[in-house]
Order: sequence, then C-alpha cells, then structure tokens
Amino acid sequence: QVQLVQSGAEVKKPGASVKVSCKVSGYTLTELSIHWVRQAPGKGLEWMGGFDPEGGETIYAQKFQGRVTMTEDTSTDTAYMELRILRSEDTAMFYCTTHFQGETDAFHIWGQGTMVTVSS
Amino acid sequence: SYELTQPPSVSVSPGQTASITCSGDKLGDKYACWYQQKPGQSPVLVIFQDSKRPSGIPERFSGSNSGNTATLTISGTQAMDEADYYCQAWDSSTDSYVFGTGTKVTVL
Repeated sequence: QVQLVQSGAEVKKPGASVKVSCKVSGYTLTELSIHWVRQAPGKGLEWMGGFDPEGGETIYAQKFQGRVTMTEDTSTDTAYMELRILRSEDTAMFYCTTHFQGETDAFHIWGQGTMVTVSS
Repeated sequence: SYELTQPPSVSVSPGQTASITCSGDKLGDKYACWYQQKPGQSPVLVIFQDSKRPSGIPERFSGSNSGNTATLTISGTQAMDEADYYCQAWDSSTDSYVFGTGTKVTVL
C-alpha cells in the first residue's frame, strides 16, 4: 500500500524559500510519478507540477515556472518541492500526490499536506 | 488557459441523487476524474477515466463524460458524502493538469 508522508508545517517571511518533503513508502519513488498541488485557505486545488513519466522529465505549471523546483532522492524515496521568493499569497496547504499503476490522468494517492504560512 | 467550471454548491436530501457537473471546452475528448475533500482532510479520488471507481469507493459514486460536460452522480446520498468535490482533467495543449472550481455538496 502506497503512503506519502509529508514534512511538517512551516512559517516563512516574505522573500524567503521553503522546501517541503514527501516520503514514499510501500513502493519506490521510481515506480511513482509525484506531483504537487497547492490549496490556499478556503480555495480550490491548483496543480503546480510534477514528473511526467512519458516525457521522462519534470513539468511545471506556467504560473510557477521559474519560482519552483521539484526534485527527487531515489536513495531515500523522498520527493521535494522548493518554492522561492515567497509572498503572502503563497500561504497555503501543499500536497504531494501521485499517479498509480500507469494511470496518468488522475492522482490516486495523496499526502497529508504541509501548511506553509508566509508572514512578516 | 483551459478552464473547468463547476456550480459552487449543490444541496441534496439524504437518500436522494446528487449530480455535479463540470464544464470545459471539448471535455468529452479528455479523461475526467473527480475528488472528494472533507474539511481538514486531503482529497480522495472517487472517479477516474470518466467512470471508473478506485478500490474502496462505494458503488453509489458514478461518473460520465460527453460533449463539454462531465458529471459526477451520487446515488442514495448519505450524510458522510457531504464534502467539496473537484473535477480534473489533463490539458494536452498546455501540458498541464487542470482542476475544476469545486462544488460544495450539502446533505440536508
């Protein structure tokens, strides 16, 4: 059974960076395609980017390109999402999620979320 | 950019059928999926590839997709189904996953 366990809540100042981790268990990271989704308080889900298994590379939503980097450490089965130049509007819950068993149209499994608060 | 539009809210009586729509240009040419999100919890996939249910999702959840509209149907709605629901599709023209605006389902 696949589980995604994320790092704890963060509080950051405007202009800083945050790096959120997502630890995979039950499968190896190479068997999955990790993506990241943002949800501002009281708002909807917003896809940020993730690994495209067909293209073999990480793809990013245009809105976040240049400000976000998603990486993976296969030795520890942990994925990371770093968001830079934080602003108050980035205050949100960040989820890691994944496709499963080759089905790439939907996100089958989700982490518990990491709350990032940006405040001076 | 590609957009998916949902009604902000849907109300349903216990035991009745709730239908939630998701509208987007030629959405029927893409695969649509649906997520349920209860307050304070992570989203849960309830329908993928238009009409398939993941393991563990009750049979009362069903989906369809044709033309410009995908629909999530909850038959025999229960109090536990009260939640926010989001549709989602892959847009190949922008190489991006798009979520719908979300619908709050209230079981009265």
